Amino acid sequence: SAVISQKPSRDICQRGTSLTIQCQVDSQVTMMFWYRQQPGQSLTLIATANQGSEATYESGFVIDKFPISRPNLTFSTLTVSNMSPEDSSIYLCSVQGLATNTDTQYFGPGTRLTVL
Amino acid sequence: AQSVAQPEDQVNVAEGNPLTVKCTYSVSGNPYLFWYVQYPNRGLQFLLKYITGDNLVKGSYGFEAEFNKSQTSFHLKKPSALVSDSALYFCAVRDMEGAGNMLTFGGGTRLMVKP
Repeated sequence: SAVISQKPSRDICQRGTSLTIQCQVDSQVTMMFWYRQQPGQSLTLIATANQGSEATYESGFVIDKFPISRPNLTFSTLTVSNMSPEDSSIYLCSVQGLATNTDTQYFGPGTRLTVL
Repeated sequence: AQSVAQPEDQVNVAEGNPLTVKCTYSVSGNPYLFWYVQYPNRGLQFLLKYITGDNLVKGSYGFEAEFNKSQTSFHLKKPSALVSDSALYFCAVRDMEGAGNMLTFGGGTRLMVKP
């Protein structure tokens, strides 16, 4: 597998502000994804981060609320904009396309976000 | 559309006993199936997968899972549970023929292993 890191690991933010979460992987990967895990819930895919082009968003998620960047094959950011308490969740990035295991998604440790 | 069901919110088992965490799936094509484990305040860790071949798949930490196409199931098993196995377990599916690389997760099953 790969070493995947996320920053910050947790944060407490005020309503109306924005937070950018970083995801770094130690080897080049084909695909990177962003998920949300609301308290006590399963994982929901927010979007696929595409290198060199706009992210592909799932139903219910929009670019204005969750802008995503992917400048290269090892790094991506997710911004949670104009936050409300309903955005309190764990945000996870995942990667797929490692040379040693192309079929499997591996996950970062997550960013626990609390919005007051 | 693809979907996953984990019918049990929680499974309780005594240490040393065998454990089973159930998963059923629905896809239009052939499935890729995965199990992940989440410990408190941690991300998801990959346990095992079924892509093709032998229906019994062995993974990390002594876990295994059996793919049953007729029952559309992929139950996770371990012969002898450890207290340290207590965690949240997620089953996930991807349709080989559709939906790109989208992974759909079940609701999760909390495994409690008691000493």
